[in-house]
Amino acid sequence: SQTIHQWPATLVQPVGSPLSLECTVEGTSNPNLYWYRQAAGRGLQLLFYSVGIGQISSEVPQNLSASRPQDRQFILSSKKLLLSDSGFYLCACRTSGTSFPETQYFGPGTRLLVL
Amino acid sequence: GESVGLHLPTLSVQEGDNSIINCAYSNSASDYFIWYKQESGKGPQFIIDIRSNMDKRQGQRVTVLLNKTVKHLSLQIAATQPGDSAVYFCAEKKSGAGSYQLTFGKGTKLSVIP
Repeated sequence: SQTIHQWPATLVQPVGSPLSLECTVEGTSNPNLYWYRQAAGRGLQLLFYSVGIGQISSEVPQNLSASRPQDRQFILSSKKLLLSDSGFYLCACRTSGTSFPETQYFGPGTRLLVL
Repeated sequence: GESVGLHLPTLSVQEGDNSIINCAYSNSASDYFIWYKQESGKGPQFIIDIRSNMDKRQGQRVTVLLNKTVKHLSLQIAATQPGDSAVYFCAEKKSGAGSYQLTFGKGTKLSVIP
């Protein structure tokens, strides 16, 4: 089964600074990868998903961007952070070829606080 | 950790009792459903899932029931333990959704009383 790593675990950044969050996956190949944001007491909001290297779909217009430079690496970035970017960022992975290919598995998350 | 439990419905259950957590979904065309458990400051953990051609599916101490007539999903936890305390939320996948996208509910906070 796959293992999802996210780095860093916690981040405090000033408004206007850049951002780079990393997600790496082990134990699978050619996964679909997702970035979500979770605000306190609210449902998960899908930000980006990727079906392969260099292929990114954006769900919510914002000052964030995503990239997938390698099969098992997914990066979330921003050039200038806003206060509203604070939240809990989650990376998820879905793999075909299983009995339930719809299942998404999540990483441990990155807590971002923008001050 | 992240306070994912703020302003959520709360269910308090005595240790050893059974818990039932409910979820109403919105789209009658949804064909896949999943339950997650999320502890404070951690990522969601997969519990169990079910397709729309099933009514019931069982795992270890957990059962998911699907009632398509009233668009209702429930998670039953047998012999609830203190370690079951967390936020539980359901998600649905609409039939034909691009890249198997899921739509998530806000969750229910389960508190187990020792």
